[in-house]
Amino acid sequence: DAGITQSPRYKITETGRQVTLMCHQTWSHSYMFWYRQDLGHGLRLIYYSAAADITDKGEVPDGYVVSRSKTENFPLTLESATRSQTSVYFCASSEYSGTSGRNEQFFGPGTRLTVL
Amino acid sequence: GIQVEQSPPDLILQEGANSTLRCNFSDSVNNLQWFHQNPWGQLINLFYIPSGTKQNGRLSATTVATERYSLLYISSSQTTDSGVYFCAVATGANNLFFGTGTRLTVIP
Repeated sequence: DAGITQSPRYKITETGRQVTLMCHQTWSHSYMFWYRQDLGHGLRLIYYSAAADITDKGEVPDGYVVSRSKTENFPLTLESATRSQTSVYFCASSEYSGTSGRNEQFFGPGTRLTVL
Repeated sequence: GIQVEQSPPDLILQEGANSTLRCNFSDSVNNLQWFHQNPWGQLINLFYIPSGTKQNGRLSATTVATERYSLLYISSSQTTDSGVYFCAVATGANNLFFGTGTRLTVIP
C-alpha cells in the first residue's frame, strides 16, 4: 500500500517557468491538501479539495493553480514560478467522518522546489 | 485562522532524559495532531488527539480541550528522537493550522 506519494521529490527551475507538482493517494480519501513549509512559518495551506472537482483556496494561494479530476490525484501548478515560491511542498489527505468528527491528515514525503 | 503556539522552541537533551513539549491553541478544535519531522524532512504522524490521553511506547500525549492546550511527553529519549515536533489543529474537516515547532536535539 503506497499511501500518499509526491513527484518529483526535488525540482530546480527558473523564474517564469511553469512547474507542476504531483500528488497521488491510494486510500480514496475525500480531502486533499497542499501546504508549503518555509523557515519561520511552519506549514501553511495553499489549496485544498473536499472531493473531485471541488477545490478552495487556503492561506497562501497566489501564484498557484490546482485541479482534481480524479479522487486520487491533486496536482499543484505554479503558472510562472518566482523565487519566493522556493519552498518545500507537502501534500496531505484525510477522510472526514461526519459521525465521529475524525479527520486525521496524512502527509506525503514532500517536494523540495528551488526557483532560480 | 487558529493561532498555535509551541514551547520551547528549542530543546537539547542528553540521551535517556525525559521531556515535555507544550502546544497552546486559540480556539475550540476537533482535530489535534502531533507530528515528528525527521532529519530527512518527512512528517510522521505521532498522535491524533483532540482530547484525552494516549500512549505509544515511550511517547504519550494529553490534550485538555477545555483549556486549549496539549502536551507531548517523551521519555528515555534516544538520538533517533531528534528532529522537529509540530502540533497542528483544525476545526471540522478543514485544514490544519501548524505551530512553528519544537526542535529537539538528543545528544549521545
